[in-house]
Amino acid sequence: EDQVTQSPEALRLQEGESSSLNCSYTVSGLRGLFWYRQDPGKGPEFLFTLYSAGEEKEKERLKATLTKKESFLHITAPKPEDSATYLCAVQALTGTASKLTFGTGTRLQVTL
Amino acid sequence: GAVVSQHPSRVICKSGTSVKIECRSLDFQATTMFWYRQFPKQSLMLMATSNEGSKATYEQGVEKDKFLINHASLTLSTLTVTSAHPEDSSFYICSASHSGSNQPQHFGDGTRLSIL
Repeated sequence: EDQVTQSPEALRLQEGESSSLNCSYTVSGLRGLFWYRQDPGKGPEFLFTLYSAGEEKEKERLKATLTKKESFLHITAPKPEDSATYLCAVQALTGTASKLTFGTGTRLQVTL
Repeated sequence: GAVVSQHPSRVICKSGTSVKIECRSLDFQATTMFWYRQFPKQSLMLMATSNEGSKATYEQGVEKDKFLINHASLTLSTLTVTSAHPEDSSFYICSASHSGSNQPQHFGDGTRLSIL
């Protein structure tokens, strides 16, 4: 069974204080790993897709990396508007195509 | 970017009522749509996968007669919660993806369902 574990569960940073969120996964062949941002009372917003170990993608203050067992979401010099829950999900090569298995997320709070 | 619209955003109704939630892909054709349920501080749990023109595929433990899914066109899927009870209260979210199994899913803003 595919599994996704995210840590930490919650993270509080001061503005400008860089950090990383972790997503560990177990999957029967990885088709893709996805990062989403979710604001309270809203649906997840797509950030990145990573397909193979060693791949990296960047968007503004966010950078996602991938190894064979985990992915990191690096946040450089965060701002208060980066406060949200960040979700990681995996898609397996086998089983139902397109099905995503989500982790429980990391709730990030960035303070002034 | 891809836009998915979900309506209504919030529903409050009495026990025994049936509730219909709509999910539309506004700027792309979605051969596949997904319905999730999310409890507070928990992750998204997939309920069913909906393919245009065919029957939905339900995840284990999800009652297909309770949660009716229709995907009549490439831009619209509906979820009907039949004879809803308080335990059905939750945050329901739909998503849609372009054709191609490794395309990202784009999510609606969810429907907060409260059954009194």
